[in-house]
Amino acid sequence: EAGVTQFPSHSVIEKGQTVTLRCDPISGHDNLYWYRRVMGKEIKFLLHFVKESKQDESGMPNNRFLAERTGGTYSTLKVQPAELEDSGVYFCASSHRQGPYEQYFGPGTRLTVT
Amino acid sequence: EDQVTQSPEALRLQEGESSSLNCSYTVSGLRGLFWYRQDPGKGPEFLFTLYSAGEEKEKERLKATLTKKESFLHITAPKPEDSATYLCAAFEGGNNRLAFGKGNQVVVIP
Repeated sequence: EAGVTQFPSHSVIEKGQTVTLRCDPISGHDNLYWYRRVMGKEIKFLLHFVKESKQDESGMPNNRFLAERTGGTYSTLKVQPAELEDSGVYFCASSHRQGPYEQYFGPGTRLTVT
Repeated sequence: EDQVTQSPEALRLQEGESSSLNCSYTVSGLRGLFWYRQDPGKGPEFLFTLYSAGEEKEKERLKATLTKKESFLHITAPKPEDSATYLCAAFEGGNNRLAFGKGNQVVVIP
């Protein structure tokens, strides 16, 4: 069974540009989560999808971040326009069930905004 | 305010030298306490979930325990391949999400 995959693995963009991150969850997992780790800080929750619906987006930093999950399969996270403080590692995780059950993480996308 | 605090931040062990990592949490209504392992450049890898105080789980040289305020990850007779960052995360009752600590970076020296 394939794990959670993320693309790209690295992205370097200039301030003001747009970047789109993609996450493919484990097949059959309705629950998809985005997290972010900023240097020196802990991994923090961004949002949670159940199928194509946003269940909780309270962790999104501001309206420059837009997440979508069309068709309830893969998800994209777009940052527009990017700012320096958006640099970090963005992780996607998926889970078969909602609630306190194991979430399987992808390898992450390292975003550097210069 | 930190909900999950891990200590020590970094730990160097000689191969075979057992030790314990601490994770203290202040979340209300804990529904699960998770331990993950993370290697450099990779995503967190699931290890354990503990659901109630007194619960213990083991996997190879790792043993996780849970009390009402903290969890411990015991590493028995570690090997160099146990070198990694160990992450603790609490699943809080009002929010459907994991709240992570900063991690314990463990280096096991041959």
